[in-house]
Amino acid sequence: GAGVSQTPSNKVTEKGKYVELRCDPISGHTALYWYRQSLGQGPEFLIYFQGTGAADDSGLPNDRFFAVRPEGSVSTLKIQRTERGDSAVYLCASSYEHGSPLHFGNGTRLTVT
Amino acid sequence: GQNIDQPTEMTATEGAIVQINCTYQTSGFNGLFWYQQHAGEAPTFLSYNVLDGLEEKGRFSSFLSRSKGYSYLLLKELQMKDSASYLCAVKTTDSWGKLQFGAGTQVVVTP
Repeated sequence: GAGVSQTPSNKVTEKGKYVELRCDPISGHTALYWYRQSLGQGPEFLIYFQGTGAADDSGLPNDRFFAVRPEGSVSTLKIQRTERGDSAVYLCASSYEHGSPLHFGNGTRLTVT
Repeated sequence: GQNIDQPTEMTATEGAIVQINCTYQTSGFNGLFWYQQHAGEAPTFLSYNVLDGLEEKGRFSSFLSRSKGYSYLLLKELQMKDSASYLCAVKTTDSWGKLQFGAGTQVVVTP
């Protein structure tokens, strides 16, 4: 069956620009997570959705970051006024229900020049 | 907050056994996961422990001691394809959806 799909796989943008990263979770998974991973580090939690609502957004670093999941399936992570420090791999994961093992997508590698 | 420590790198020979330790300090502990991540790929789920003891799954086993804040992942009969980063992640009761990951242990399997 299809796994978690993330697009684009790579994104290069200039400092100050706006970007959107998309995640299509496994069908039937109610929980969706965004993490970001820098080289040599483990994934760092950003936000978690249960259905359409953000159940925990405590990991979003500042108000330039925002995520939505309007219909409880596909999610978009939005980053405004990108900075070079935002460069990382952004990983999306889904799970059947909260507490179940996470299934990760292959990530979007974001490079801010 | 949480503090999760695991060694940065381990090297072992094909066919051997390697044990990757993970120690954590957290309040409201509610389970520990191990994930495998090959370079440039997504992390994949290996095991989950919430009670003390050993969970065995083929060549991989994971152990947990809640009182000591300690877990290990045991990889037996190492194969070249086991060369990867192994991530320890802790779940807590204060946020059911959030996993706190360690930095990962890079295992290098040599012929």
